[in-house]
Amino acid sequence: GEDVEQSLFLSVREGDSSVINCTYTDSSSTYLYWYKQEPGAGLQLLTYIFSNMDMKQDQRLTVLLNKKDKHLSLRIADTQTGDSAIYFCAETSTGRRALTFGSGTRLQVQP
Amino acid sequence: ETGVTQSPTHLIKTRGQQVTLRCSSQSGHNTVSWYQQALGQGPQFIFQYYREEENGRGNFPPRFSGLQFPNYSSELNVNALELDDSALYLCASSIKSRGSNEQFFGPGTRLTVL
Repeated sequence: GEDVEQSLFLSVREGDSSVINCTYTDSSSTYLYWYKQEPGAGLQLLTYIFSNMDMKQDQRLTVLLNKKDKHLSLRIADTQTGDSAIYFCAETSTGRRALTFGSGTRLQVQP
Repeated sequence: ETGVTQSPTHLIKTRGQQVTLRCSSQSGHNTVSWYQQALGQGPQFIFQYYREEENGRGNFPPRFSGLQFPNYSSELNVNALELDDSALYLCASSIKSRGSNEQFFGPGTRLTVL
């Protein structure tokens, strides 16, 4: 079945770049997503990438996809204290209704 | 554009009781999915509704059931509550015809079962 793995925790200093990594197992994954969850809140869709792309940039966010290794990363440039949150990687494939999520990476930004 | 809303925000029930959670989808969205997020975990797919019918289901027992209404709003019903049902329940809306399957989440309902 589908599985998504993420590291649990990342700590960076304000102004540095953050890189959050994710691996997945389903070779038929077509869309991969990054969501942000702040304490006590729902999930905010940050960005997504289609599997025939290897990079997508959206302001401070850069998504890299290595389809061969089934590895996805999210780079946040100039990380701010407001970026402190849990970041979830998720994937789906054509025709599948569900998104499959990782367990989340907690990003802590130190002033 | 109105985002996804859920009610209530918090709920406390006792084991064996039944609960109904509600969700209003984002304007223009015709599909609603429900997820359960246990503490420290990622969301797990419960089921999806489209055109008022269940359109896919995850690994959850039949005591988890749902409804979708003509205005695309939705309910999640859980019967015979168990302690392990304590979680954040998230509703997500989407547009079925959109191949990217972007799902937009509400703030969730925190359910505590005692």
